[in-house]
Amino acid sequence: NAGVTQTPKFQVLKTGQSMTLQCAQDMNHEYMSWYRQDPGMGLRLIHYSVGAGITDQGEVPNGYNVSRSTTEDFPLRLLSAAPSQTSVYFCASSFEPPPSPQHFGDGTRLSIL
Amino acid sequence: AQSVAQPEDQVNVAEGNPLTVKCTYSVSGNPYLFWYVQYPNRGLQFLLKYITGDNLVKGSYGFEAEFNKSQTSFHLKKPSALVSDSALYFCAGISGGYQKVTFGIGTKLQVIP
Repeated sequence: NAGVTQTPKFQVLKTGQSMTLQCAQDMNHEYMSWYRQDPGMGLRLIHYSVGAGITDQGEVPNGYNVSRSTTEDFPLRLLSAAPSQTSVYFCASSFEPPPSPQHFGDGTRLSIL
Repeated sequence: AQSVAQPEDQVNVAEGNPLTVKCTYSVSGNPYLFWYVQYPNRGLQFLLKYITGDNLVKGSYGFEAEFNKSQTSFHLKKPSALVSDSALYFCAGISGGYQKVTFGIGTKLQVIP
């Protein structure tokens, strides 16, 4: 099993551009989530999903959209990138919502110029 | 409100010595607490969790954590540190019934040969 796969691994964008960060898992996990990791701030929850068709906001949802059309995929969309969105983004999944332990992808490093 | 705090940015320990990485929590209701480890350029990996029961929780790679309700702490411990334990360690928590995990800012563990 591949686990949680994130693509791309690195990306540079210009302010105002849009892009989608991809996340796929092959473990048939119902719960998926997106975090951003910034120095001195740990991981902060952006959006999460408890199953296909169901999403909800986390701690820092502004500027990001998500959808969950299948169990396997949970893409994160930046509609108009801003320098403040420069970060490392992690996708995670678990069979059930927390407190089930989450499996993390290796992250996408995103720079917004 | 729920939060976890990691009071030390970095912990240095000599190889073979016992290690402790500190975490305190502030959550409403019964706490669910976790420890994750992150190696460079990788996603987080689950180490252990406390839900209920024994205050001493054993996890992966020889790590354990002690839940102390009176001190609202959940410190990570290992009897004998290895150089390969050098990594970034995150404490995390949720309140019972919620689906969102809150992470601490992380503590860098440096094991010195």
